[in-house]
Amino acid sequence: GQQLNQSPQSMFIQEGEDVSMNCTSSSIFNTWLWYKQDPGEGPVLLIALYKAGELTSNGRLTAQFGITRKDSFLNISASIPSDVGIYFCAGHNSGSRLTFGEGTQLTVNP
Amino acid sequence: GAVVSQHPSRVICKSGTSVKIECRSLDFQATTMFWYRQFPKKSLMLMATSNEGSKATYEQGVEKDKFLINHASLTLSTLTVTSAHPEDSSFYICSAQTGGGNQPQHFGDGTRLSIL
Repeated sequence: GQQLNQSPQSMFIQEGEDVSMNCTSSSIFNTWLWYKQDPGEGPVLLIALYKAGELTSNGRLTAQFGITRKDSFLNISASIPSDVGIYFCAGHNSGSRLTFGEGTQLTVNP
Repeated sequence: GAVVSQHPSRVICKSGTSVKIECRSLDFQATTMFWYRQFPKKSLMLMATSNEGSKATYEQGVEKDKFLINHASLTLSTLTVTSAHPEDSSFYICSAQTGGGNQPQHFGDGTRLSIL
């Protein structure tokens, strides 16, 4: 089946640092979505990308849909302790079924 | 907007019990709802896709007689884990989508199911 390769698997950073994570695929995706999941809760949508090359911001978060439609990155600037959680990329390549990455566990040290 | 409510948030029950989990879209009509299972420190694993008024489509390896899905209205889907056993213990999450296709899925807060 389809796979999204998400990296890094985990990150340990100091408060105030910038963070970058990305997802790649061997297949073309029509949309890229970035979600954040806190422990014991469901994922929350952060950013949705619909066009190749699209660059979208949501506060301190910025995400881009790669030109080849096979990759996307998420940047978090000036990290704060509440940024802690698991970040998932996800994409549609046909129909409504989402393919998820394996997640990036982010730890922010105060 | 796009709020999805999932209930209950936690269930602990004896082996052999059937457990029903509800998923409701509170402020939008969900043409499609999805049910996922998530193991600790793992990604979400799609179990089934359901469209209102239609039979659910199950992913390979998911027993449809074990995990009964009903999507009777545009705002409610239920997942019933029948005759649950300890190996069914997991975190179950629903999501809802309006408009189909490439529209984002919005997730509920999950149900932690523990079978003793």
